Amino acid sequence: GESVGLHLPTLSVQEGDNSIINCAYSNSASDYFIWYKQESGKGPQFIIDIRSNMDKRQGQRVTVLLNKTVKHLSLQIAATQPGDSAVYFCAEKEGGGADGLTFGKGTHLIIQP
Amino acid sequence: EPEVTQTPSHQVTQMGQEVILRCVPISNHLYFYWYRQILGQKVEFLVSFYNNEISEKSEIFDDQFSVERPDGSNFTLKIRSTKLEDSAMYFCASTALRGLGNQPQHFGDGTRLSIL
Repeated sequence: GESVGLHLPTLSVQEGDNSIINCAYSNSASDYFIWYKQESGKGPQFIIDIRSNMDKRQGQRVTVLLNKTVKHLSLQIAATQPGDSAVYFCAEKEGGGADGLTFGKGTHLIIQP
Repeated sequence: EPEVTQTPSHQVTQMGQEVILRCVPISNHLYFYWYRQILGQKVEFLVSFYNNEISEKSEIFDDQFSVERPDGSNFTLKIRSTKLEDSAMYFCASTALRGLGNQPQHFGDGTRLSIL
């Protein structure tokens, strides 16, 4: 039978192409956002973060965009490589001293050779 | 690069038994966390810990759960009487700063807990 919870949104891109992974968040009080990459059997690995006073931040091959008006976060990966294949999670954190991260559902990125 | 380490990688326990999951956070970090991930689902926050006390906990972290920093390097999660629905991956994380001085939380590779 079908297993509940195993169907992640999937994005399939050709190696070398750019990819964009999107995330919607709901908490208007969130002021810190992180993208994590999770490979099979591993823990979440930090990729890039952004604070709510910014709308764009760039790293090596990755860019995070934040649109607070529509509560939307995206992760752009340039020139994708086979090693980029993983599940990507966005996470948000509320200001005022709250500690726990709230994770999104995840997107499975598949890089086609 | 310093990393969070967790042991064991896989723990199999009979329902009703107590289980202790162990973590060694990154050495200069002061804030510690436990999260769980049920198979195929998103990561869920359980508890945060600072200065030898709980800072925040979620609704999942009920009286069956407890955390402890027994010495200067270890951070443990205890489940007193395990239930089938406790089966999940449990991740430990640590960070140097909290609150408005946000820094990313760094995660270990988790302990897979299987309750029979």
